[in-house]
Amino acid sequence: QQKVQQSPESLSVPEGGMASFNCTSSDRNFQYFWWYRQHSGEGPKALMSIFSDGDKKEGRFTAHLNKASLHVSLHIRDSQPSDSALYFCAASSYQGGRALIFGTGTTVSVSP
Amino acid sequence: AQTIHQWPVAEIKAVGSPLSLGCTIKGKSSPNLYWYWQATGGTLQQLFYSITVGQVESVVQLNLSASRPKDDQFILSTEKLLLSHSGFYLCAWSLRDSGNTLYFGEGSRLIVV
Repeated sequence: QQKVQQSPESLSVPEGGMASFNCTSSDRNFQYFWWYRQHSGEGPKALMSIFSDGDKKEGRFTAHLNKASLHVSLHIRDSQPSDSALYFCAASSYQGGRALIFGTGTTVSVSP
Repeated sequence: AQTIHQWPVAEIKAVGSPLSLGCTIKGKSSPNLYWYWQATGGTLQQLFYSITVGQVESVVQLNLSASRPKDDQFILSTEKLLLSHSGFYLCAWSLRDSGNTLYFGEGSRLIVV
């Protein structure tokens, strides 16, 4: 069973709207989370990391972590067509990359 | 600035033929290096990681091997390709023992026929 599940699998948002999606870990050892974005045909790029409970904001992107429920979410404010991509949550039991587990992915489509 | 370059960009290979994919990282000494595999639209599966020259750890067994002949070079290979090897191969690096956000290359697309 996939240790890091994401939902929904895909979503569509209008340009300027808010895109929100979720990630849940089944392994209580996972305490460190990252969000990555991958445009079609390219390698993934890290958007942000979040290691503490609560919100972390970087520009139009806000991540929220609840360690008790092993749940992390990402919210994209004022979505742009360039935000259309595959988004991955990644989790680890420590800050190292050797044990980084990627989630199932959420495909976001932003329509003009 | 750090750069990561993967080669080739894409390959079409026959079942049973050999494969070699490469990755070079410039501008960062002694990085951790990783190989990932991705089915079309799928998640990222870590295959190998290396913390130093000559030392490579296998994460999953997929009839693939990896080597790190130089500090800035990571090679993925197999002597006999399977249909299941088709996919997108991504090389990545991270700082050693701190932060550890992964920085990915642009990937190599492999189609096995």
